[in-house]
Amino acid sequence: GQQVMQIPQYQHVQEGEDFTTYCNSSTTLSNIQWYKQRPGGHPVFLIQLVKSGEVKKQKRLTFQFGEAKKNSSLHITATQTTDVGTYFCAGLLAVGANSKLTFGKGITLSVRP
Amino acid sequence: DAGVIQSPRHEVTEMGQEVTLRCKPISGHNSLFWYRQTMMRGLELLIYFNNNVPIDDSGMPEDRFSAKMPNASFSTLKIQPSEPRDSAVYFCASSIWDLNSPLHFGNGTRLTVT
Repeated sequence: GQQVMQIPQYQHVQEGEDFTTYCNSSTTLSNIQWYKQRPGGHPVFLIQLVKSGEVKKQKRLTFQFGEAKKNSSLHITATQTTDVGTYFCAGLLAVGANSKLTFGKGITLSVRP
Repeated sequence: DAGVIQSPRHEVTEMGQEVTLRCKPISGHNSLFWYRQTMMRGLELLIYFNNNVPIDDSGMPEDRFSAKMPNASFSTLKIQPSEPRDSAVYFCASSIWDLNSPLHFGNGTRLTVT
């Protein structure tokens, strides 16, 4: 079945450092979504990428969809303590009768002040 | 916008008991999803409704789990009988259209089965 991989599961950075994480799919995706879950909270939608090679920015966060639509990256510039949480990517296969949005296991980011 | 509302927030029950989790989606959203989150398995889709009709229930673990959506503003997830391995956080999410649209998650129900 479709798999969406996020490795590693944990990363620790010093405040002010940049952070990059990747999401890889075993199959070509229709789109990819990114969510953030704060400790004790629920996943909150951040962004959706649809086009091959698409890049979107939200303040210090930059999201990119790979050319082959099988991977994606999230880059945070100059991390802050407010960036702490778990970042999930979720990939959608081409829409069809059995399409499913599959979540990766997420990467938990901790930021040392 | 009240967001997706789930109840209860916490549920502690003994093995063998019936558990019912409730969800009210955002008004106007026509797709509803039940997810289960554990450390080991991450976020797993259990079942997905579109216009109150179950579309994909392949993630429902076994016959002990059932879900209903009697109308556009209410859904339940029932576990009968519950087992300790069902302990997890159960999230309900809704969206405007379908899997192409962003999901809006509720605060979740933390279930502990002893």
